[in-house]
Amino acid sequence: EAGVVQSPRYKIIEKKQPVAFWCNPISGHNTLYWYLQNLGQGPELLIRYENEEAVDDSQLPKDRFSAERLKGVDSTLKIQPAELGDSAVYLCASTVWGARRNNQPQHFGDGTRLSIL
Amino acid sequence: AQKITQTQPGMFVQEKEAVTLDCTYDTSDQSYGLFWYKQPSSGEMIFLIYQGSYDEQNATEGRYSLNFQKARKSANLVISASQLGDSAMYFCAMRERMNDYKLSFGAGTTVTVRA
Repeated sequence: EAGVVQSPRYKIIEKKQPVAFWCNPISGHNTLYWYLQNLGQGPELLIRYENEEAVDDSQLPKDRFSAERLKGVDSTLKIQPAELGDSAVYLCASTVWGARRNNQPQHFGDGTRLSIL
Repeated sequence: AQKITQTQPGMFVQEKEAVTLDCTYDTSDQSYGLFWYKQPSSGEMIFLIYQGSYDEQNATEGRYSLNFQKARKSANLVISASQLGDSAMYFCAMRERMNDYKLSFGAGTTVTVRA
């Protein structure tokens, strides 16, 4: 079974430029998450999708961040314009959302390491 | 308030020895789940083990076991027979029903296995 696939693996851009990250979840996983991970810290949730619906985007800085999951499968996270403080690792995760919610682990991709110059 | 506390920023362990990583959590929910993830330097987050709040037995997965002490709100990870490949960052995380099942992570513990 293929895992969560993210691209690109690394991205270096200048501040004020736009950037986009792509994520393809594990087949059959209807729930998709985007996380931000700063160096030396645990991941922090940005947005959660159930199928194509964003059910929790309370932590997403909507002035510059946007996300979409149009067909309920793969997803794109965009930052426009990027700021120096956005340098971090952006992780995508997926899981099956069902009756036994607590014990379903989230499976993560390798992440995109973003550096802003 | 911090939901997950990992007090050990870094640990060294000799190859083939066991190591215990501490994790304490804070919740008023009766239904919650606790997870441990491993993050090597390559960056991927690898799921290791899960413990449910209603589980009476401590979870085990191969060389990983979870020492669950509900009254003390601790969920320590024990790695037995450490291997060089165990060198990584380890995160404890909790999912609460009352928090809409969001996964809250601790700050992590770096483990370095010495030959």
